[in-house]
Amino acid sequence: EAGVVQSPRYKIIEKKQPVAFWCNPISGHNTLYWYLQNLGQGPELLIRYENEEAVDDSQLPKDRFSAERLKGVDSTLKIQPAELGDSAVYLCASSLELAGGSYNEQFFGPGTRLTVL
Amino acid sequence: AQTVTQSQPEMSVQEAETVTLSCTYDTSESDYYLFWYKQPPSRQMILVIRQEAYKQQNATENRFSVNFQKAAKSFSLKISDSQLGDAAMYFCAYSYSGAGSYQLTFGKGTKLSVIP
Repeated sequence: EAGVVQSPRYKIIEKKQPVAFWCNPISGHNTLYWYLQNLGQGPELLIRYENEEAVDDSQLPKDRFSAERLKGVDSTLKIQPAELGDSAVYLCASSLELAGGSYNEQFFGPGTRLTVL
Repeated sequence: AQTVTQSQPEMSVQEAETVTLSCTYDTSESDYYLFWYKQPPSRQMILVIRQEAYKQQNATENRFSVNFQKAAKSFSLKISDSQLGDAAMYFCAYSYSGAGSYQLTFGKGTKLSVIP
């Protein structure tokens, strides 16, 4: 079974440019997460989707960040315009959450390392 | 808000020896999960071990075991017979079910080096 796929693995852009990251979750997983991981830190949740719906985007800086999950499968995270402080690793994870069910493991992708010059 | 603290930024261990990584957390909840994740240089987070708070028995997974002290809000990871492949960042994480789903709160991580 294929894991969570992310692309690109690396991205270097100049500040004020737009950038987009793509995530393909594990087949059948209804919940998708985007995390931000700054250097020397643990991941922090940016947004969580249940199917097509963004159920928690409270940590997403909405002035420059946007995300979408069309048809409840793939997801794209966009930054426009990028700032120097956005340099970080952007991780995508997915899980199968069942109503009333117990915790289900989140599976992570390899992340995209963004460098803003 | 829940917080997770890892007080050891870096640790090292001799190959085949045992090492313990520390983690403390803060929560007002009684039902939650705790995790240790491994992140090698490839950046992919890999679940090492999971502990349900309602279980008194400490979780074990082969060479990995935890010491879960609920009253002290402590959750340490013991790696026995350390191998070169164990070298990585290790993150302690907490999860509580809120709004119908589980969200992970991570510590800052401990970098583990394994000395041949």
